[in-house]
Amino acid sequence: DAGVTQSPTHLIKTRGQHVTLRCSPISGHKSVSWYQQVLGQGPQFIFQYYEKEERGRGNFPDRFSARQFPNYSSELNVNALLLGDSALYLCASSLGGGGGNEQFFGPGTRLTVL
Amino acid sequence: AQSVTQLGSHVSVSEGALVLLRCNYSSSVPPYLFWYVQYPNQGLQLLLKYTTGATLVKGINGFEAEFKKSETSFHLTKPSAHMSDAAEYFCAVRDPFYYGGSQGNLIFGKGTKLSVKP
Repeated sequence: DAGVTQSPTHLIKTRGQHVTLRCSPISGHKSVSWYQQVLGQGPQFIFQYYEKEERGRGNFPDRFSARQFPNYSSELNVNALLLGDSALYLCASSLGGGGGNEQFFGPGTRLTVL
Repeated sequence: AQSVTQLGSHVSVSEGALVLLRCNYSSSVPPYLFWYVQYPNQGLQLLLKYTTGATLVKGINGFEAEFKKSETSFHLTKPSAHMSDAAEYFCAVRDPFYYGGSQGNLIFGKGTKLSVKP
């Protein structure tokens, strides 16, 4: 069975540009969460979606947005990129949205902002 | 707000030696607890988790962790380190109760990089 997939693997953008990152969850999983991992730090929660509705939002500016599609895949959008947005963006899927559901992580998208 | 503290950003052990990675959480309600491992340029892999029940939890690759409520700790151990254990390890907590905005998100510590010397 395929795990969580993310695209693209790597991305280089310049300040002020916009970026879209994509995530496909494990088949049957209805919840997708996004995390940002800055070099040398632990992942930080950005968004959680369950059944196409936003269920949680971390402490990130409005430049960050996301959505979940009917097939449960998800996109993370970041506008007006800053140098500080350079990070590994991780997507995780789980069967449900509750606290006991195990989250399975994808390999991440490495975003570099120049 | 919940937080996770991992003592020691770098830990170095010899092959065959005991591995001990420390994790403490701050929460008025015992959360769900997790240990993840991250190899270079890869995503996170779950090693083990504690939700309810037995406080000594066994995971993959010979790792185990014990939930100690009185110490608010969830330290990760392995009796004998292998070279392949060299990676970064993250402790994480999760709110066990659903109440909307924070449902489901993991709160991670800053990570401990484990080096294994031959």
